Amino acid sequence: KNEVEQSPQNLTAQEGEFITINCSYSVGISALHWLQQHPGGGIVSLFMLSSGKKKHGRLIATINIQEKHSSLHITASHPRDSAVYICAVLNSGGSNYKLTFGKGTLLTVNP
Amino acid sequence: SAVISQKPSRDICQRGTSLTIQCQVDSQVTMMFWYRQQPGQSLTLIATANQGSEATYESGFVIDKFPISRPNLTFSTLTVSNMSPEDSSIYLCSVQSPGQYFGPGTRLLVL
Repeated sequence: KNEVEQSPQNLTAQEGEFITINCSYSVGISALHWLQQHPGGGIVSLFMLSSGKKKHGRLIATINIQEKHSSLHITASHPRDSAVYICAVLNSGGSNYKLTFGKGTLLTVNP
Repeated sequence: SAVISQKPSRDICQRGTSLTIQCQVDSQVTMMFWYRQQPGQSLTLIATANQGSEATYESGFVIDKFPISRPNLTFSTLTVSNMSPEDSSIYLCSVQSPGQYFGPGTRLLVL
């Protein structure tokens, strides 16, 4: 079992829909990242969270440390949001710079 | 923040040859990370490159196959040696500054 599990693996939405992507992890963490990867391969960091909630534009990320769970929400989705969204955690034990990645959620937003 | 560039952005190589990937950061950073993303898989850390010392390789990766240079605090190279089709992947350079930043990736196809 992966230390970081994402759901769903694939998500198709219509433009304007509210989208939620979930991430569960099984290890103690010091931080959690949400990343966006477009078809060309480049990765952009959307959020780094250690508690609570962060908002940037139409994107909202939340984390519940006790439940070891995080969600990424996209409001008023748009075709340009189509990408792979990756959850990654920074373990609190051992080396504190190594990220463990989920397998990603492929989001397709249709016009 | 950090802006990272990588060269080449993509390449097609013949089996048995080697390719060197360059990573340039616009600010000085202590640690640089090299990741591999095989088709349909999540990112896997190959090694951590520290300036002035040998790179630290993860389990399953060896220096003979993936030699790394780190001549200064803004630059690193990763060489994929004696390539086989199994090395076809996206290779990404990354830094922590303090959030996580990734380069645009190098798409490698080995025939």
